[in-house]
Amino acid sequence: GEDVEQSLFLSVREGDSSVINCTYTDSSSTYLYWYKQEPGAGLQLLTYIFSNMDMKQDQRLTVLLNKKDKHLSLRIADTQTGDSAIYFCAESPNSGNTPLVFGKGTRLSVIA
Amino acid sequence: DTEVTQTPKHLVMGMTNKKSLKCEQHMGHRAMYWYKQKAKKPPELMFVYSYEKLSINESVPSRFSPECPNSSLLNLHLHALQPEDSALYLCASSQSGTGPKGYTFGSGTRLTVV
Repeated sequence: GEDVEQSLFLSVREGDSSVINCTYTDSSSTYLYWYKQEPGAGLQLLTYIFSNMDMKQDQRLTVLLNKKDKHLSLRIADTQTGDSAIYFCAESPNSGNTPLVFGKGTRLSVIA
Repeated sequence: DTEVTQTPKHLVMGMTNKKSLKCEQHMGHRAMYWYKQKAKKPPELMFVYSYEKLSINESVPSRFSPECPNSSLLNLHLHALQPEDSALYLCASSQSGTGPKGYTFGSGTRLTVV
């Protein structure tokens, strides 16, 4: 079955870059997503990448996709304390015909 | 309107109570979802409604009963819950299938069963 793997914790200093990694299993996934969850809140879509792209940049966020290795990463430049949250990677398996599969989430702690 | 609204935000209920969680969206989305999320865990899919019909039930116990009265509303009826059912319950919606906008999530209902 589908499985999405992420490292569980990441700690960075304010102003540094953060890189959160994810591996997924379904090579037919059309879209891959990054969601952010702050304490006590729902999941907020941060960004997505289409499977025929290898990079997408959106302000401080850069998404890299290595389709051969099924590896996705999210880089946050100039990390701020407000970026402290849990980040979930998600894939849309079976070309979008089945529900999203979420990774276990990476808890990012930003140290001032 | 680009939001999914969930009510109530917090709910405390006894094991013999009956209560309902509500979810509403006005984005014209035709798929709606219920997720359960325990602390420090990813969301777990419970139910999927597509075009107001239940399309996926992830072997959820019958004490959870979903209902989709119309394309904008999704309810989750709760009865005879157990303390281990305490969790954050998240509703989400999407266009049919998935696309670049993924799912839009509500803020959740924090449920405590006592």
